[in-house]
Amino acid sequence: GENVEQHPSTLSVQEGDSAVIKCTYSDSASNYFPWYKQELGKGPQLIIDIRSNVGEKKNQRIAVTLNKTAKHFSLHITETQPEDSAVYFCAARASQGNEKLTFGTGTRLTIIP
Amino acid sequence: DAGVIQSPRHEVTEMGQEVTLRCKPISGHNSLFWYRQTMMRGLELLIYFNNNVPIDDSGMPEDRFSAKMPNASFSTLKIQPSEPRDSAVYFCASTLGAVGENIQYFGAGTRLSVL
Repeated sequence: GENVEQHPSTLSVQEGDSAVIKCTYSDSASNYFPWYKQELGKGPQLIIDIRSNVGEKKNQRIAVTLNKTAKHFSLHITETQPEDSAVYFCAARASQGNEKLTFGTGTRLTIIP
Repeated sequence: DAGVIQSPRHEVTEMGQEVTLRCKPISGHNSLFWYRQTMMRGLELLIYFNNNVPIDDSGMPEDRFSAKMPNASFSTLKIQPSEPRDSAVYFCASTLGAVGENIQYFGAGTRLSVL
């Protein structure tokens, strides 16, 4: 089955700096890659996603890049703010028609004021 | 819409007792997922349903766990008998289930403590 690895497990950045979280996946048939943000005491919420026919997607301060050849994708957060502090999860879906997502182990991001 | 609704938010029980977790998906969503989250194992998919039918239950730990979806607006996850190692946060998520629409919307979770 699909295996998703996520790094780093913890990340601290100064407010205003950029943060980058990286994930790799094992199944070359995977075609959908969402990123979720989980705040304390809440369920994960989708913040951005990308499909395998696109190399990059941006939404305001958040961007995701995908390298299909290397089977890795990354989340980039620019101009970080205190409210960006949370746990971030990457995920991969193995194939069209299969709704199962395999999640990475999470990155705890702390923004230092 | 109120989103995915889970109950109870917190459950404390003693080892050996039966535990039932409940989930109401977003109206109109056709797929429902049960996850377990622990520090050691992260976010694990236990089972998912499409149109009330279980599609993949390969993540269900053992026979003590069972899940049902009697109709499109309700699902339960039952643990009988419960054990301390079942202590975790259990999430329910739902999605439209249509081809190309994959966004999973999560509930707030049920924090289960088995003493």
